[in-house]
Amino acid sequence: SAVISQKPSRDICQRGTSLTIQCQVDSQVTMMFWYRQQPGQSLTLIATANQGSEATYESGFVIDKFPISRPNLTFSTLTVSNMSPEDSSIYLCSVGDYGYTFGSGTRLTVV
Amino acid sequence: GQQLNQSPQSMFIQEGEDVSMNCTSSSIFNTWLWYKQDPGEGPVLLIALYKAGELTSNGRLTAQFGITRKDSFLNISASIPSDVGIYFCAGLRDNYGQNFVFGPGTRLSVLP
Repeated sequence: SAVISQKPSRDICQRGTSLTIQCQVDSQVTMMFWYRQQPGQSLTLIATANQGSEATYESGFVIDKFPISRPNLTFSTLTVSNMSPEDSSIYLCSVGDYGYTFGSGTRLTVV
Repeated sequence: GQQLNQSPQSMFIQEGEDVSMNCTSSSIFNTWLWYKQDPGEGPVLLIALYKAGELTSNGRLTAQFGITRKDSFLNISASIPSDVGIYFCAGLRDNYGQNFVFGPGTRLSVLP
């Protein structure tokens, strides 16, 4: 399975600012996904990061709030824009043909 | 949308006991996955199931893909302290996407 490096591992941010999370994979993968895990909750898919085209967002998530880049087959970024305390969550990237592997996550706290 | 239910929500067991948890849905899934998440970490894949009726083991873990394709269970035998964590089931939502719907999780605590 692929090895995923996610940065930063955690951050505390001021409301109204933006944070970009990076996901680097040690091999080329067709699809990458971004998930959100709110405190004490399960994982919810934000979007599928498509290489060479715009990301595909799930219901309830929009590009203006969560812009995603996928410049190549091993790297993606998720930006959490104009943050509010409600955005405090763990953000995880996932890769693989069937979403097998997850990064260790970015724990975001918005104050 | 398609939702998964997991039971129990949480459980406390004695070390050495066997554990059973399940995942159900009103919808059919074509793939079931079981993950374990430790605090501060991302979920780690335990077992993947691809066919209705499939029974797969991974060490002390055994999981089955329900014959109706609407459920799956995970058993852990002879539990040990490091089994503590949250166990999530995930179902493949459709034949074209490669993303999953996750269940709410079962929180397992193992008492020494």
